[in-house]
Amino acid sequence: TQLLEQSPQFLSIQEGENLTVYCNSSSVFSSLQWYRQEPGEGPVLLVTVVTGGEVKKLKRLTFQFGDARKDSSLHITAAQPGDTGLYLCAGADQVGGGADGLTFGKGTHLIIQP
Amino acid sequence: DAGITQSPRHKVTETGTPVTLRCHQTENHRYMYWYRQDPGHGLRLIHYSYGVKDTDKGEVSDGYSVSRSKTEDFLLTLESATSSQTSVYFCAIGNLGNTEAFFGQGTRLTVV
Repeated sequence: TQLLEQSPQFLSIQEGENLTVYCNSSSVFSSLQWYRQEPGEGPVLLVTVVTGGEVKKLKRLTFQFGDARKDSSLHITAAQPGDTGLYLCAGADQVGGGADGLTFGKGTHLIIQP
Repeated sequence: DAGITQSPRHKVTETGTPVTLRCHQTENHRYMYWYRQDPGHGLRLIHYSYGVKDTDKGEVSDGYSVSRSKTEDFLLTLESATSSQTSVYFCAIGNLGNTEAFFGQGTRLTVV
């Protein structure tokens, strides 16, 4: 069974600060996704990274896939209260499969204080 | 918005009763999934479907059954609800050859 460990579990910081959350595994994934989930809502896909070492930017969010495709990080610059939410990473175990091949981490609860 | 509707959004039921949750999509995606989300466990796959009348078990399928008689509808049934099935249930959709999942808003089920 593949496992994805996310850290930290909880993070509360002030508006304007920078932060990084991590998603680590001992398994290799064909791709990795990051989702954000707000209270009472379903997860929303932010990004998919596929190539080892790949970096993708989404406004103030920077996503990186590890060279060995076993880990990923999400860096937020100048955090804003609107970034508050549960951030989930999910790894895919095969190319061309469906989402039934996804393994989800337990998430990082992020709170940005105004 | 991926055009996924879950119903009901909230339900309280008694132990031992059958419960059916519905997922309806307007995106014509081939794949549909049912997950449950619990504190300390994250999202876990219950059942999934690759097409009409084509379903398979996920990681935590015991006590659940599914049916898909139309592309747009995927039903999750708890045959005899237990307190351990108190959870938030999410439906998701996806496409062939793509691991990305698009989630509904969830159903909060409480079994008392």
